[in-house]
Amino acid sequence: DQQVKQNSPSLSVQEGRISILNCDYTNSMFDYFLWYKKYPAEGPTFLISISSIKDKNEDGRFTVFLNKSAKHLSLHIVPSQPGDSAVYFCAATSYPGTSYDKVIFGPGTSLSVIP
Amino acid sequence: EAGVAQSPRYKIIEKRQSVAFWCNPISGHATLYWYQQILGQGPKLLIQFQNNGVVDDSQLPKDRFSAERLKGVDSTLKIQPAKLEDSAVYLCASSPESGEPRKLFFGSGTQLSVL
Repeated sequence: DQQVKQNSPSLSVQEGRISILNCDYTNSMFDYFLWYKKYPAEGPTFLISISSIKDKNEDGRFTVFLNKSAKHLSLHIVPSQPGDSAVYFCAATSYPGTSYDKVIFGPGTSLSVIP
Repeated sequence: EAGVAQSPRYKIIEKRQSVAFWCNPISGHATLYWYQQILGQGPKLLIQFQNNGVVDDSQLPKDRFSAERLKGVDSTLKIQPAKLEDSAVYLCASSPESGEPRKLFFGSGTQLSVL
């Protein structure tokens, strides 16, 4: 039972254009969402997060949008740069102490930014 | 600030052999996690410690996997005996008790190949 889904295994974007990575979740108890970036032979690194009380969070070139009714979130990277080429994982969790408070990861989307 | 340290980086063993991985979390982080990442999939939580107590080990194959966290700091994960399907990257992560407890910091991982 995959609770966090990333239906696009890969994505290619031209440098300078927008990259949009999508994520869907099934458990309505999730209330906190994170995006991690992973380069080969390295561990995932935290990129940006969003709480369910918000519908948008922005950090520089990275913006995450949350649509709770659709159980969908997306990560926008504008403008995309070659250094953004990596695997991006969407993750979800619920409030500490609740039944679903472990961090569940999606399968990842491999982003390639073409110079 | 030093990150999460893991060793070894790579390990190749034959099936039915045993193997152990070591993790040193970020200083002061109370929560420590072991994740298994199989190629093409997202990280899957094996076990979560809060200080030196186990919070969640529901997905740990206890007939062959064991983990301990001595004195609430370092942790070791052991597999005995290993199976072919255990080939994966084993990631250790830690998170603080306050502030952003659900923001995980990962080590570089140990890549295990079981032949």
